[in-house]
Amino acid sequence: EVQLVESGGGLVQPGGSLTLSCAASEFTLSHYSMNWVRQAPGRGLEWLSYISGSSATIYYADSVTGRFTVSRDNAKNSLYLQMHSLRAEDTAIYYCARNCGGDCYLGGVGALDIWGRGTMVTVSS
Amino acid sequence: SSELTQPPSVSVSPGQTARITCSADALPNQYVYWYLQRPGQAPILVIYKDSERPSGIPERFSGSSSGTTATLTISGVQAEDEADYYCQSADGSGTYGVFGGGTRLTVL
Repeated sequence: EVQLVESGGGLVQPGGSLTLSCAASEFTLSHYSMNWVRQAPGRGLEWLSYISGSSATIYYADSVTGRFTVSRDNAKNSLYLQMHSLRAEDTAIYYCARNCGGDCYLGGVGALDIWGRGTMVTVSS
Repeated sequence: SSELTQPPSVSVSPGQTARITCSADALPNQYVYWYLQRPGQAPILVIYKDSERPSGIPERFSGSSSGTTATLTISGVQAEDEADYYCQSADGSGTYGVFGGGTRLTVL
């Protein structure tokens, strides 16, 4: 089954750092652009970051620019999100999501056809 | 960056048609995508490129777009369709993703 599994969430103090991982299975990660999306408790979805299949193109939302870094290791079929200078408002479920491919893909951020179940990040003292 | 506005809630009776709108100050040359999210679960893509339906999504889900408003239509609503629905698009260059605030669909 094609799936994504996030890990690395947990409780971190304000100002701290955390790295999330996303493992892909049953598809070749390098063939797809990937995204990170988060959802604060009881709130809507917020797009955070995009990385192309080769890592040549990377985009960030203004809310995380300069604090979060996305990367990938296609050999390990894995995606990462390094988070620094964490704030209480970063508390959320973090999802990795695959950009659709084929005729669905138009370049850049597009439809997200496969999502992980998410990993919870809580920023609190 | 563009903002996408959705009604907070829509209610319909089973078998009726639900329409959820997604409006933007400007929908640049980017498509709109729609997701449903059931409580405690990850979002599921139900419409891409304004009106295309991924494999496995029931035919009762359809999408359209005109001007600065995109619409998700669910025909013959079923109890299992009760969920939060989000529209999503990107800026003109596809360098910035944006989601609507979400619409809670209640099946009466």
